[in-house]
Amino acid sequence: AQSVTQLGSHVSVSEGALVLLRCNYSSSVPPYLFWYVQYPNQGLQLLLKYTTGATLVKGINGFEAEFKKSETSFHLTKPSAHMSDAAEYFCAVSSDTGRRALTFGSGTRLQVQP
Amino acid sequence: EADIYQTPRYLVIGTGKKITLECSQTMGHDKMYWYQQDPGMELHLIHYSYGVNSTEKGDLSSESTVSRIRTEHFPLTLESARPSHTSQYLCASSEFSGGAGVYGYTFGSGTRLTVV
Repeated sequence: AQSVTQLGSHVSVSEGALVLLRCNYSSSVPPYLFWYVQYPNQGLQLLLKYTTGATLVKGINGFEAEFKKSETSFHLTKPSAHMSDAAEYFCAVSSDTGRRALTFGSGTRLQVQP
Repeated sequence: EADIYQTPRYLVIGTGKKITLECSQTMGHDKMYWYQQDPGMELHLIHYSYGVNSTEKGDLSSESTVSRIRTEHFPLTLESARPSHTSQYLCASSEFSGGAGVYGYTFGSGTRLTVV
């Protein structure tokens, strides 16, 4: 069984400040980890993913995440927030076995203050 | 440029009506999924398919049904819509090619269903 916990349903930062969105996972098999962004009334857009290899993953729009197996974490960061980053962010886990479906966290709403 | 298409984008319908939400992908992916996203934002898997003539229930119980007669098509049907079915429904497909190092999911734009 797999699960994802996103700490903080709402995060507010000032424009130009560091963005840190937390994600912890549980998986009995090697996980594949994803971060998605969702803008109002839209579908999901992939920000970045970790499958194998380098544990620091760079994505679109200046976001990156680091897979830490010892901490079962995959936190999302961006050095400097932009107003356009305001959206919902979802962390998700899957694996290369079974149905291979994504299991999502409950989401974090990021607000960026001017 | 979307490779997975969902129609309609928005649907408002009366209680008791039968509805079908369409999902089509042009990538030849074997695996397809339906997720339900309530206003509280969390996404839950309600159906998935390994391929043609293969469908399974997901983690969240749903009164909807699905079919997979063609690889590219994965429609979701509600025989009798109720207000409790009001939600956003997202379709996705996935590709797993370990040898090629390809692994990912593609999501449609979703159908926002309102049952009045």
